[in-house]
Amino acid sequence: DAKTTQPTSMDCAEGRAANLPCNHSTISGNEYVYWYRQIHSQGPQYIIHGLKNNETNEMASLIITEDRKSSTLILPHATLRDTAVYYCIVSSGGSNYKLTFGKGTLLTVNP
Amino acid sequence: DGGITQSPKYLFRKEGQNVTLSCEQNLNHDAMYWYRQDPGQGLRLIYYSQIVNDFQKGDIAEGYSVSREKKESFPLTVTSAQKNPTAFYLCASRGGGLATSDTQYFGPGTRLTVL
Repeated sequence: DAKTTQPTSMDCAEGRAANLPCNHSTISGNEYVYWYRQIHSQGPQYIIHGLKNNETNEMASLIITEDRKSSTLILPHATLRDTAVYYCIVSSGGSNYKLTFGKGTLLTVNP
Repeated sequence: DGGITQSPKYLFRKEGQNVTLSCEQNLNHDAMYWYRQDPGQGLRLIYYSQIVNDFQKGDIAEGYSVSREKKESFPLTVTSAQKNPTAFYLCASRGGGLATSDTQYFGPGTRLTVL
């Protein structure tokens, strides 16, 4: 599976949009981009995933560049409860489906 | 309430003792996974199972064992051979069999401390 690069930490003001970047320049054509987040001492929570097109759900939006070498997770109106470590993962799925978690980005939402 | 349960939330054991961590899911998912997380680190895959009675080693299987006798259950045994067992252990499951793009759902985790 392709490796991802994320900033170690980011800050965001409450109520503003949080934009979390992820580089995955070695992504292959059949690999999806997944985003999870982990609040301290809890299990990771699935947020969103995509292959080529931009995706949106009730939690966030995922913007994938046309060359698929990078993506951005957008939390449109960050709240204090969005403070967490956010993981960007690429995976091809299939019979050996597994997710490889890096260290992620610690997003701190400030009041 | 549908989901994945792990028990207990906190577990303490003496060095040299084997300990089994429980993971149960009622999501009717085929695949189940065990991860380990150390402070400030990402998750590392220990074992995974795509179907009942079958499982594969992950990246750090040494010192661990699993079984998958029922679809709903995937217990993990931390043996005395695991040199640094103190960690946060997370179980996950995934539906859809061998389909791509299926999402993994995680349990709340068990924090194991070996004294």
